[in-house]
Amino acid sequence: SQQGEEDPQALSIQEGENATMNCSYKTSINNLQWYRQNSGRGLVHLILIRSNEREKHSGRLRVTLDTSKKSSSLLITASRAADTASYFCATDGENYGGSQGNLIFGKGTKLSVKP
Amino acid sequence: DGGITQSPKYLFRKEGQNVTLSCEQNLNHDAMYWYRQDPGQGLRLIYYSQIVNDFQKGDIAEGYSVSREKKESFPLTVTSAQKNPTAFYLCASSWLSNQPQHFGDGTRLSIL
Repeated sequence: SQQGEEDPQALSIQEGENATMNCSYKTSINNLQWYRQNSGRGLVHLILIRSNEREKHSGRLRVTLDTSKKSSSLLITASRAADTASYFCATDGENYGGSQGNLIFGKGTKLSVKP
Repeated sequence: DGGITQSPKYLFRKEGQNVTLSCEQNLNHDAMYWYRQDPGQGLRLIYYSQIVNDFQKGDIAEGYSVSREKKESFPLTVTSAQKNPTAFYLCASSWLSNQPQHFGDGTRLSIL
């Protein structure tokens, strides 16, 4: 099973609206990362938040982390059609399965932004 | 311009055939990874290497093999033992295992 699980699985919004995606995970972490994947392409790293941070910003992106609830959220403000992509969270599952110390990716949220 | 190059972009495998996917990076990263992505799924780790001449199995290594003879290169062989090889394969690299990863643009493997 996955360490991180994104919610919702799919999200459709109009250009200019905000998009919020959530990620829940199971074990303790050192950091949590968000990635973006355009259709048929590789993943692109967006932002990393450490376990001792609660909020981080990068341009139109805002990430929050609640380690007590083992959850994170990614907010994209004033969305554009070009934001259409799948978004994945990844955690460093220190004691999780065969990927010890490596990143473990969720199944992603597919975001569609309509012009 | 630093990055990761995967080739070929599309690959077809015949029954009983081994095929090799190429991954080259010029980012001077020590760690490299191979992932498999199935439709609507996240990434599953096949193999990873944290240093030249050393590599470890990930969560789904059966039917795959790798080598790491040079820092820049981490080829993946999909062997005939892998009965369901149709997937999108992604290669990545990073400085350390839990740091941001840089990805190639993938190889899509299909069975003829």
